Amino acid sequence: GESVGLHLPTLSVQEGDNSIINCAYSNSASDYFIWYKQESGKGPQFIIDIRSNMDKRQGQRVTVLLNKTVKHLSLQIAATQPGDSAVYFCAETKRPGFQKLVFGTGTRLLVSP
Amino acid sequence: DTGVSQDPRHKITKRGQNVTFRCDPISEHNRLYWYRQTLGQGPEFLTYFQNEAQLEKSRLLSDRFSAERPKGSFSTLEIQRTEQGDSAMYLCATGGGRSYEQYFGPGTRLTVT
Repeated sequence: GESVGLHLPTLSVQEGDNSIINCAYSNSASDYFIWYKQESGKGPQFIIDIRSNMDKRQGQRVTVLLNKTVKHLSLQIAATQPGDSAVYFCAETKRPGFQKLVFGTGTRLLVSP
Repeated sequence: DTGVSQDPRHKITKRGQNVTFRCDPISEHNRLYWYRQTLGQGPEFLTYFQNEAQLEKSRLLSDRFSAERPKGSFSTLEIQRTEQGDSAMYLCATGGGRSYEQYFGPGTRLTVT
């Protein structure tokens, strides 16, 4: 069935380091991928998205890379800050905006000062 | 704060009782989604509305679950005869216009004792 998975459940980094969070997806028909950040007691917050016709997209301090050959998605956070500490989820969908998102299990990012 | 509100934020109920949750979307958003999230997992899709029409339901949505969006604005999710396995965070997300993004509310945490 459809599934989106993550390689590492917890990632610990020092403040100022760059962080890389990885995700494997299984549905090759997915057209749209999103990274969400979820802080304790809050709903998921959109970070960045990428369409399947792209392999890289940059935002403010964040970059998403998509490798369709191996069905791999990664989120890079530059100069990680304590405020980046949260659980990060990748999600996929076939028809962005009009269909359900399929989420992975999440990676917890811990940033120590 | 994304502008999506959910009420209540927390609900404790005894097994067998009925509960109802409410979601108020961002006013111009015509798409509304319900997800369920258990501890350590990503959100799982439950159902999707476009305006007042319920267009998709997950197999997770057993006959004890019902969702409505009577006027295409707020939505309710009712669980009848609650079971301990229903304990989870129930998230509402909305979207609209040409944006693909789904904006999540803070969620309602249900505990069934």
